[in-house]
Amino acid sequence: NAGVTQTPKFRVLKTGQSMTLLCAQDMNHEYMYWYRQDPGMGLRLIHYSVGEGTTAKGEVPDGYNVSRLKKQNFLLGLESAAPSQTSVYFCASRPLAGGYNEQFFGPGTRLTVL
Amino acid sequence: EDQVTQSPEALRLQEGESSSLNCSYTVSGLRGLFWYRQDPGKGPEFLFTLYSAGEEKEKERLKATLTKKESFLHITAPKPEDSATYLCAVQAGYNTDKLIFGTGTRLQVFP
Repeated sequence: NAGVTQTPKFRVLKTGQSMTLLCAQDMNHEYMYWYRQDPGMGLRLIHYSVGEGTTAKGEVPDGYNVSRLKKQNFLLGLESAAPSQTSVYFCASRPLAGGYNEQFFGPGTRLTVL
Repeated sequence: EDQVTQSPEALRLQEGESSSLNCSYTVSGLRGLFWYRQDPGKGPEFLFTLYSAGEEKEKERLKATLTKKESFLHITAPKPEDSATYLCAVQAGYNTDKLIFGTGTRLQVFP
């Protein structure tokens, strides 16, 4: 099993450009999450999904959109990138059963917006 | 406001030198406290979940404890491979999937 994978690993954008980050998991997990990690700050939840076709806002959703068309994939979109969105983005997933705890994280995508 | 504070920010230990990392929290209705390990350039890796004051969990050289205000991650006789950033997170309240993360403690263990 590959676990949680993220594509791409690195990306440089210019202000105003758009892009989509792809998260895929092969563990048949119901829940998926997108976080951002910035220096001096803890991981912050952007959006999450409790199942195929559903999405919900997290702590810092502005400037991002998400889609969960297939259970195994969770897409994070930036329609018009801004320098403030320079960050490392992590995707995570967890099964429906059990607590709100053991989230499995992907390796991250390092995004730079110039 | 719900808050998680980790200390110290960074810790340098000699191999075999035991120590503790602290995670203090201020939340309404703690549902669970979680410890993760994060290696450079990688995603966090789950270590422990603690649910109530007095609870303890152990894994190899790591032991996590929980009180009503804070959690400690004790590292006994650390090895260089224990070097990583250790993250603490809390889940506050029911019917929420939000975890509040601390900024982490960067641990370096020298041979």
